[in-house]
Amino acid sequence: GESVGLHLPTLSVQEGDNSIINCAYSNSASDYFIWYKQESGKGPQFIIDIRSNMDKRQGQRVTVLLNKTVKHLSLQIAATQPGDSAVYFCAENRANFGNEKLTFGTGTRLTIIP
Amino acid sequence: EPEVTQTPSHQVTQMGQEVILRCVPISNHLYFYWYRQILGQKVEFLVSFYNNEISEKSEIFDDQFSVERPDGSNFTLKIRSTKLEDSAMYFCASSEAFSGHQPQHFGDGTRLSIL
Repeated sequence: GESVGLHLPTLSVQEGDNSIINCAYSNSASDYFIWYKQESGKGPQFIIDIRSNMDKRQGQRVTVLLNKTVKHLSLQIAATQPGDSAVYFCAENRANFGNEKLTFGTGTRLTIIP
Repeated sequence: EPEVTQTPSHQVTQMGQEVILRCVPISNHLYFYWYRQILGQKVEFLVSFYNNEISEKSEIFDDQFSVERPDGSNFTLKIRSTKLEDSAMYFCASSEAFSGHQPQHFGDGTRLSIL
């Protein structure tokens, strides 16, 4: 069956260190992936996306890596700050035009230790 | 920065009553979505809407649910006869219509509590 899952439900990182959050997906037809950050009481906030024709994409302090061979993607956050504490979700999209359903993973709770 | 806004932030309703959750998507976006998140669980897709019609819906989105774009700015989710298991956070999202993929941007949700 199709699924988007996360390897670790919780992750604690020292402030200033780098963090890596992992995500596995099972559908080889997936062609678009998004990382979202969700703070308590808020909706998912877009962080970065990547298309299946790319292996790596960088944003401000964040990098997403995509390994289609093993159906794995990761989110790297550099020089973590207290404000990075949140739940991080990967989401997968297998869109045809007019069909933009996102399938979310279960989430990883990232805690930044001061 | 433009954002998706949702009202109310919290809705408490008796079982069997009708509720309408409201959303104002980002103004130049043409795709609209509803998702829900039961406490402690992952975000689940309910329905997508484009060009004044549903483009896809999940098995959760049964006959008690409906969506509407009553005017040029609002997008609503109606639950006709609420059940206890409808208690959840409901998120609205929107994205630009484009031939490629565009990220969906989410509101902060409506917490629906069914008593």
